[in-house]
Amino acid sequence: GDSVTQMEGPVTLSEEAFLTINCTYTATGYPSLFWYVQYPGEGLQLLLKATKADDKGSNKGFEATYRKETTSFHLEKGSVQVSDSAVYFCALRGNAGNMLTFGGGTRLMVKP
Amino acid sequence: GAGVSQTPSNKVTEKGKYVELRCDPISGHTALYWYRQSLGQGPEFLIYFQGTGAADDSGLPNDRFFAVRPEGSVSTLKIQRTERGDSAVYLCASSLRGAASSYEQYFGPGTRLTVT
Repeated sequence: GDSVTQMEGPVTLSEEAFLTINCTYTATGYPSLFWYVQYPGEGLQLLLKATKADDKGSNKGFEATYRKETTSFHLEKGSVQVSDSAVYFCALRGNAGNMLTFGGGTRLMVKP
Repeated sequence: GAGVSQTPSNKVTEKGKYVELRCDPISGHTALYWYRQSLGQGPEFLIYFQGTGAADDSGLPNDRFFAVRPEGSVSTLKIQRTERGDSAVYLCASSLRGAASSYEQYFGPGTRLTVT
């Protein structure tokens, strides 16, 4: 079945540092890929998405590129802020269904 | 506009009891999803409704779990004979359409269920 693997946290960075959170997936066909974010005390929010190979999703300075050859969708940000501290989830929606399959989440802590 | 709402926000129950968790989706959203998130893990799919019918219930762990959406709007997740392993945050999401569309799933704040 479909699965998503993302790097374990916590990831601790200083403000303005470069961020990469790795995400790889296993799925048949051509899934859509997503990054969700969960800020402290809040619900899951969609951060960005890509629906086909080589698409780049971007939002709030975050980017991720759908790489079919490496089955990856790594999340990057050039300069993190304290307000980016949250838990980040990589997810996919496969062709066979409508549900999302999530990775285990990566907690990001940004220190001033 | 109003987002997805879930009630109660917290529920503590004793092992063996019956619980109901409610989800109010965004108005006009035909697709509704239930997920379960255990501590330190990502959400896991339970069931998907398109309108009033359960289009996919493959994620329900066993027959103690059941969900309904009788009028195609509000949904109730029902858990019989609760076990301590059922303790988790239960998330509800809705989207404008289902059926492998690209419509975003909007998540509610979740119900934290604790079985003692």
